[in-house]
Amino acid sequence: EVQLLESGGGLVQPGGSLRLSCVASGITISSYAMNWVRQAPGKGLDWVSTISTGTYYADSVKGRFTFSRDNSKNTLYLQMNSLRAEDTAVYYCAKSPYSGYLGGAFDIWGQGTMVSVSS
Amino acid sequence: QSALTQPASVSGSPGQSITISCTGTSSDVGGHNYVSWYQQHPGKAPKLLIYDVTSRPSGVSDRFSGSKSDNTASLTISGLQAEDEAEYYCSSYATRSTYLFGTGTKVTVL
Repeated sequence: EVQLLESGGGLVQPGGSLRLSCVASGITISSYAMNWVRQAPGKGLDWVSTISTGTYYADSVKGRFTFSRDNSKNTLYLQMNSLRAEDTAVYYCAKSPYSGYLGGAFDIWGQGTMVSVSS
Repeated sequence: QSALTQPASVSGSPGQSITISCTGTSSDVGGHNYVSWYQQHPGKAPKLLIYDVTSRPSGVSDRFSGSKSDNTASLTISGLQAEDEAEYYCSSYATRSTYLFGTGTKVTVL
């Protein structure tokens, strides 16, 4: 069974930093495009970033967030710097349906980790 | 890039069929066959229902089907059931490996 488990969320002040982790089991993350999607409280889904052969970011986080992976640990990371109140959200990591797929569908999701940016 | 446009709410009686629309532009929905649909119950992670406009992942009921015409994609739920009451989101490839989600549609089973 494929599982994704996020961690690292919490409360941080505006301008601060946080690093999220997503540990994968049942798959080899290097074989798939992997993604971060967030959802602000009471709001809709918002694509954040994708890592495959390259790394891609939403304009709203470009230059502030860095998506990386450690294949030896089968773990993804989202380094978030210069955090703003509008970054407050549940952050999900999600997997693409099959190897090489870059169409933006996400078939397996983690349970999410909450990030709150407030003074 | 703006979110794709969905109706805020759609409702139907058990057994009926409903359709949710997802309107974008020629740069996203209309420009590719990479439209997907998700179901999200309160407090839960989204579940993939449809990808590549019409494909269903293994295990997803065939009561869910997708289609697309020009810049508008649609999700149809046939034989509506109480458990279908949830929020539904579309998503589309946009440009240069970026993606957009829809505004979300609340489905109510009357």
